[in-house]
Amino acid sequence: DVKVTQSSRYLVKRTGEKVFLECVQDMDHENMFWYRQDPGLGLRLIYFSYDVKMKEKGDIPEGYSVSREKKERFSLILESASTNQTSMYLCASSLLGKETQYFGPGTRLLVL
Amino acid sequence: GENVEQHPSTLSVQEGDSAVIKCTYSDSASNYFPWYKQELGKRPQLIIDIRSNVGEKKDQRIAVTLNKTAKHFSLHITETQPEDSAVYFCAAYGTGGFKTIFGAGTRLFVKA
Repeated sequence: DVKVTQSSRYLVKRTGEKVFLECVQDMDHENMFWYRQDPGLGLRLIYFSYDVKMKEKGDIPEGYSVSREKKERFSLILESASTNQTSMYLCASSLLGKETQYFGPGTRLLVL
Repeated sequence: GENVEQHPSTLSVQEGDSAVIKCTYSDSASNYFPWYKQELGKRPQLIIDIRSNVGEKKDQRIAVTLNKTAKHFSLHITETQPEDSAVYFCAAYGTGGFKTIFGAGTRLFVKA
């Protein structure tokens, strides 16, 4: 059974703080993704990675960066949190060449 | 850019009735169409998928249809039950590798 875990379920941060969201998968998946989920907008891709130290911008990368130092771990970084980054953040992973994505439980971030 | 439109945004049905959710996609190169179900407070999970070389696929009470010419695909749930209540996301995959484009989601309510 694929397990994707995220470091926090709920997070409250202040404007301007640096925020780290961590995602870990235990199935040796090559691909990892970060999405944000907002009502009426579905899942929007922020960044993805198809290998260690590789990263690609998604549709809404502004204000975010990522780090993939190990295959199982993909971190999302908000360099200077802003209130418009209040959202649900979902991590996902998939095997290289396979389309099915497995999601983490999500982190609900509130930026005050 | 690539786009997936999903309708309706909200759907309310009586237990035992059928529910249909429709999606259209813009990129004719898309070749894989998954459907994810997200129950309240939980992670999205794949419930069924269809590839572009198939017109219809069924799994018990759930079926998906694909019309490649019209770039439409639909999810059909028969004999709905209260546990079918959730948000359903359609998605399209296939261009630029790795990227899955999600629809905005449909919130389904099944009234007992």
